[in-house]
Amino acid sequence: QVQLQESGPGLVEPSQTLSLTCTVSGGSISSGAYYWSWIRQHPGKGLEWIGYIHYSGTTYYNPSLKSRITISVDTSKNQFSLKLSSVTAADTAVFYCARALAYDSSGYWKYYFDYWGQGTLVTVSS
Amino acid sequence: QSALTQPASVSGSPGQSITISCTGSSSDVGSYDLVSWYQQYPGKAPKLMIFEVSKRPSGVSNRFSGSKSGNTASLTISGLQAEDEADYYCCSYVRSTTLVFGGGTKLTVL
Repeated sequence: QVQLQESGPGLVEPSQTLSLTCTVSGGSISSGAYYWSWIRQHPGKGLEWIGYIHYSGTTYYNPSLKSRITISVDTSKNQFSLKLSSVTAADTAVFYCARALAYDSSGYWKYYFDYWGQGTLVTVSS
Repeated sequence: QSALTQPASVSGSPGQSITISCTGSSSDVGSYDLVSWYQQYPGKAPKLMIFEVSKRPSGVSNRFSGSKSGNTASLTISGLQAEDEADYYCCSYVRSTTLVFGGGTKLTVL
């Protein structure tokens, strides 16, 4: 059973960089069919796809956040990470990491999230 | 990319059926059969309920079904039960390997 666990500071000061790590257990992050994802949810609001990364290092980002996002992967630790720069109070949210199945063994596209972390609240405040 | 449009809330009585719509455009829902639906209870992570428009993961009740017509996808829950009360989100592949979620729908079981 694949499990994902987010970790990182729960409080970040405005204008600083938010950094989170997702540790994957029960499966290898180096499986080619998956994109390792970050999703956030502002308090009382809906889900927002932030971006994802393939174990090869290829990244795809939400165009609205692209200028402030960096997602990286460390296959040796079975982890991937998110950095969001120049944060403001508007970035306060619960951040989820998730696994997205991109395609199946026949190469057919899938693009859905099958495993999620429990989420971690990050508050931007001085 | 703009969020997909979902009704803010829907409600139904136990045993009834309800449908939640998810409207996008020809750039997302209308162009790809890659719509998924997620159920989220308060304070919990979302759970996959439907993928590729109408397919159910193992373990998800067959009371949940999905469909699509044009730029609008739909999630139908039949035989409504109290435990179905939750928030529901649709998600679609857009283009260039990006994704977009709907704004979410709060389902109330009366």
